[in-house]
Amino acid sequence: EAGVTQFPSHSVIEKGQTVTLRCDPISGHDNLYWYRRVMGKEIKFLLHFVKESKQDESGMPNNRFLAERTGGTYSTLKVQPAELEDSGVYFCASSQVHGPTGELFFGEGSRLTVL
Amino acid sequence: GNSVTQMEGPVTLSEEAFLTINCTYTATGYPSLFWYVQYPGEGLQLLLKATKADDKGSNKGFEATYRKETTSFHLEKGSVQVSDSAVYFCALRPKAAGNKLTFGGGTRVLVKP
Repeated sequence: EAGVTQFPSHSVIEKGQTVTLRCDPISGHDNLYWYRRVMGKEIKFLLHFVKESKQDESGMPNNRFLAERTGGTYSTLKVQPAELEDSGVYFCASSQVHGPTGELFFGEGSRLTVL
Repeated sequence: GNSVTQMEGPVTLSEEAFLTINCTYTATGYPSLFWYVQYPGEGLQLLLKATKADDKGSNKGFEATYRKETTSFHLEKGSVQVSDSAVYFCALRPKAAGNKLTFGGGTRVLVKP
């Protein structure tokens, strides 16, 4: 069974440009999460989807970030316009269960470099 | 709020050396505790977990014990291999937080032959 896949693995853009990151969760996983690690610091929660609905977006840093999950399958995270401080690694994760017994499965991450 | 503090790396060891990575946490109640590992070129993987006080998580020769009295979850391995070179993340999940994890900053471990 395929794991969580993310695309692109690395993106280099200039400040002010737009980037869209994509995540394909494990098939059948209704729960999808975005996390990011900025400047080699701790990994921080961004948001959580249940199917196509945003369940918790308390970690989204500002309105330059837009996450979507149309149809409840894959998700995209768009950064527009990108700023230098957005550089980091963006991780996607999915799970069948959202709760104490649910295990998170992470993708390899998408590294974003903003110049 | 919740937070996780782990020792900064990089930690450089020789093969067969003993590894300890310290992790302490701050949280309300009794969260579940985790160690995740990211090998070069791969995604985050769950290494081990403990869900209540005094539980010991273990996997691949690694162990960590949930210490409520010291709010710690230190990771240990008795004899590391080159293949253990990776970045290790300590994390917590409050009981009511679903899968919303709070991570530490990560510790890079480099094992030399």
